[in-house]
Amino acid sequence: DIQMTQSPSSLSASVGDRVTITCRASQSINIYLNWYQQKPGKAPKLLIYSATNLQSGVPSRFSGSGSGTEFTLTISSLQPEDFATYYCQQSSSTLFTFGPGTTVDVK
Amino acid sequence: QVQLVESGGGVIPPGGSLRLSCTASGFPFIKYGMHWVRQAPGKGLEWVAFIRYDGSKEYYANSVKGRFTISRDKSKNTLYLHLSSLRPEDTAVYYCAKDKFDSLMRGDASDVWGQGTMVTVSS
Repeated sequence: DIQMTQSPSSLSASVGDRVTITCRASQSINIYLNWYQQKPGKAPKLLIYSATNLQSGVPSRFSGSGSGTEFTLTISSLQPEDFATYYCQQSSSTLFTFGPGTTVDVK
Repeated sequence: QVQLVESGGGVIPPGGSLRLSCTASGFPFIKYGMHWVRQAPGKGLEWVAFIRYDGSKEYYANSVKGRFTISRDKSKNTLYLHLSSLRPEDTAVYYCAKDKFDSLMRGDASDVWGQGTMVTVSS
């Protein structure tokens, strides 16, 4: 089974900061990597699919990069509505594993 | 608008069974694979199961294989998850989610999610 890890597990940041979250797969997953945002009590929201593609309606301050086993999600200028938990998910195998999540909170 | 609405959650004793439903609207249900994802209280997301758009194959997480069954009824635009031999560790909010790409055999990202339904396994 493909295992997913994320770093850091949490981070504190301020509005306007550039934020980068890393996701690693235990084996190559090509570009089959997706990113979700989740706020407390809400369903997850798709941000990025296939490693680099911005989901319709998602602000352009979000971007994704990487391939193989290492991926990053970048928020270029953190906004108040971006404080949330972020999950990566691999869709290379039909066990669609999620990473453990990264919580972004207020510094 | 595109919408998924889950129902069927509740409090179930260990060893019991339950069927969750997810009613889809606003998109051609028969063209999209569907997922179930769960989230235990205070924990992260755990993918549970996927069914192809045509219902021809299902896939399960190791933690639920042999106990849970995913199915779909195209006449009712409804996705199901039958949970059996329930354990306390199955306690979670269960979300259904739509695959982003149509007519895809293997599944991919989930672009539309329901609001979730809570399942509590407790005596």
